[in-house]
Amino acid sequence: GENVEQHPSTLSVQEGDSAVIKCTYSDSASNYFPWYKQELGKRPQLIIDIRSNVGEKKDQRIAVTLNKTAKHFSLHITETQPEDSAVYFCAARGTSGGYNKLIFGAGTRLAVHP
Amino acid sequence: NAGVTQTPKFRVLKTGQSMTLLCAQDMNHEYMYWYRQDPGMGLRLIHYSVGEGTTAKGEVPDGYNVSRLKKQNFLLGLESAAPSQTSVYFCASSEGGRMQFFGPGTRLTVL
Repeated sequence: GENVEQHPSTLSVQEGDSAVIKCTYSDSASNYFPWYKQELGKRPQLIIDIRSNVGEKKDQRIAVTLNKTAKHFSLHITETQPEDSAVYFCAARGTSGGYNKLIFGAGTRLAVHP
Repeated sequence: NAGVTQTPKFRVLKTGQSMTLLCAQDMNHEYMYWYRQDPGMGLRLIHYSVGEGTTAKGEVPDGYNVSRLKKQNFLLGLESAAPSQTSVYFCASSEGGRMQFFGPGTRLTVL
């Protein structure tokens, strides 16, 4: 079945360092890959997304890269700040039953220490 | 624009009781979703809808029912609550199955 694996499950960095979170998906027909940030007690919010016809996308300190051949994509956060501390979820658009749903990874808890 | 709203925010049930969670969106989105979130397990899809009057099963549909009688509303029902259904429930909506906007969540405890 459709599956998204996300690593690491926890990540601790010093303020100013970079953080990288990696995801692997199983469905080679997936064509859309969003990343969500969820702060403690809050709802998940979309921070960046990428479509399968693009290899990389940047938005200020955040970037996402996609390797379709290897079926993996990564989130890169540069110059991390304490407010980046949250749980991050990757997702891939599922194709079974139509392109109607997202399959989420289990999440990465990022802690940025001052 | 309220976006996606959910009621109630919190609820405590006893085993065997029933309840309905309401999700409403004002963005005129066709697609709506119900997820549950448990520690270490991410977001798991319960049921979803691709338009008014339609519903489909997700990854973990057992013990839940849904209805989409109006485009802006998506209801999640628990007919006979079990402790295993203790979780945080999120509703989401999207246009075209891509960018999903989430509601604030409902924290449900079943004793």
